[in-house]
Amino acid sequence: GAVVSQHPSRVICKSGTSVKIECRSLDFQATTMFWYRQFPKQSLMLMATSNEGSKATYEQGVEKDKFLINHASLTLSTLTVTSAHPEDSSFYICSARTGLVTDEQFFGPGTRLTVL
Amino acid sequence: AQSVTQPDIHITVSEGASLELRCNYSYGATPYLFWYVQSPGQGLQLLLKYFSGDTLVQGIKGFEAEFKRSQSSFNLRKPSVHWSDAAEYFCAVGARGGGGNKLTFGTGTQLKVEL
Repeated sequence: GAVVSQHPSRVICKSGTSVKIECRSLDFQATTMFWYRQFPKQSLMLMATSNEGSKATYEQGVEKDKFLINHASLTLSTLTVTSAHPEDSSFYICSARTGLVTDEQFFGPGTRLTVL
Repeated sequence: AQSVTQPDIHITVSEGASLELRCNYSYGATPYLFWYVQSPGQGLQLLLKYFSGDTLVQGIKGFEAEFKRSQSSFNLRKPSVHWSDAAEYFCAVGARGGGGNKLTFGTGTQLKVEL
């Protein structure tokens, strides 16, 4: 099956610093990647949709200047949390899909971000 | 806009017992429907999906789900639960057409299995 990786799996940073999370599709080309945020014991909330080579589409209420998304290639998307604060601490999950209409999303294992 | 409701936040069953997790959706047309499972601190694993055709869908790990258009439901079932099935289960609906099949997730059902 299709595999999606995320790096790092866990990161702890100081308030005010920026953190970059990578999402890679290992054995397929992902025309679309999605970034989700999950608070403890809650569901996944879609943050943004990114298509290779174009600007990401952010969901309502998500600050695009704070959560920078780059989808530079068909196998890599990055999420950068800029000037992180403790309230940004969360579990961030990416997913990827090919361009097929009926294709499913394949999820990465997630990244646990803790901002001190 | 699409939405998903999972009415049961927690469910506890005995090992070997049958299981049914409820999912109701709201969508203007026939949706894509999914069930995912998440173990603590992990990503999501797809159990099964419905796109079209047979309304009874078979998935991995012995799970199945039935799409009932009249009830706007896509309940997940398993005839005999194993202790390893304890996890969080999410139902999701995907939009057809444009939007890259954006998924909307339910709030999840935490399954506990008693030995």
